[in-house]
Amino acid sequence: DVKVTQSSRYLVKRTGEKVFLECVQDMDHENMFWYRQDPGLGLRLIYFSYDVKMKEKGDIPEGYSVSREKKERFSLILESASTNQTSMYLCASSFRGRVNTGELFFGEGSRLTVL
Amino acid sequence: QQPVQSPQAVILREGEDAVINCSSSKALYSVHWYRQKHGEAPVFLMILLKGGEQKGHEKISASFNEKKQQSSLYLTASQLSYSGTYFCGSHSGGYQKVTFGIGTKLQVIP
Repeated sequence: DVKVTQSSRYLVKRTGEKVFLECVQDMDHENMFWYRQDPGLGLRLIYFSYDVKMKEKGDIPEGYSVSREKKERFSLILESASTNQTSMYLCASSFRGRVNTGELFFGEGSRLTVL
Repeated sequence: QQPVQSPQAVILREGEDAVINCSSSKALYSVHWYRQKHGEAPVFLMILLKGGEQKGHEKISASFNEKKQQSSLYLTASQLSYSGTYFCGSHSGGYQKVTFGIGTKLQVIP
């Protein structure tokens, strides 16, 4: 079974802290994604990557950056956390070239609270 | 731009049917459907492709009207296990990203 693992299920950070959210997948997927989920707003795409060292902005990239140094790992970075970044963060992966026929595999999420 | 889903919430009794609609302002190459149970990751249900091909769940069906840029998810003879939030995702070509709607919360009661 495909497994997408997010390093932390729950984090509490203070305003201004640098935050790293890690995601690892074990199925050799080329594509990886970071979404945030908020009540009433659904799933919104922050960044995605279709290859190692490649990244593309999603719909809400402001305040975030990403890193993909290895194929299996995709990190989301909050350089200076703010309270409006309190949210559930979901990582997903998929095979490249198969977004039309393949599926997204999601991790269980990381709930971040910024105080 | 996020696809628009309706209704936002629905309550069903076991055995009843439901339809969830999804529409986009952009031309669509494919529509994805996912279900998320409380506290769990979203799980793939179905993909509908431009041209009519479908791949997905045995007990759940869907339609995709390419001209109207709309999709509908049909849940028949609902079971308690169908409860959750259903998301439609649209792919409009270009980079391989899926944009999701805000979700439809479905609750099936005995």
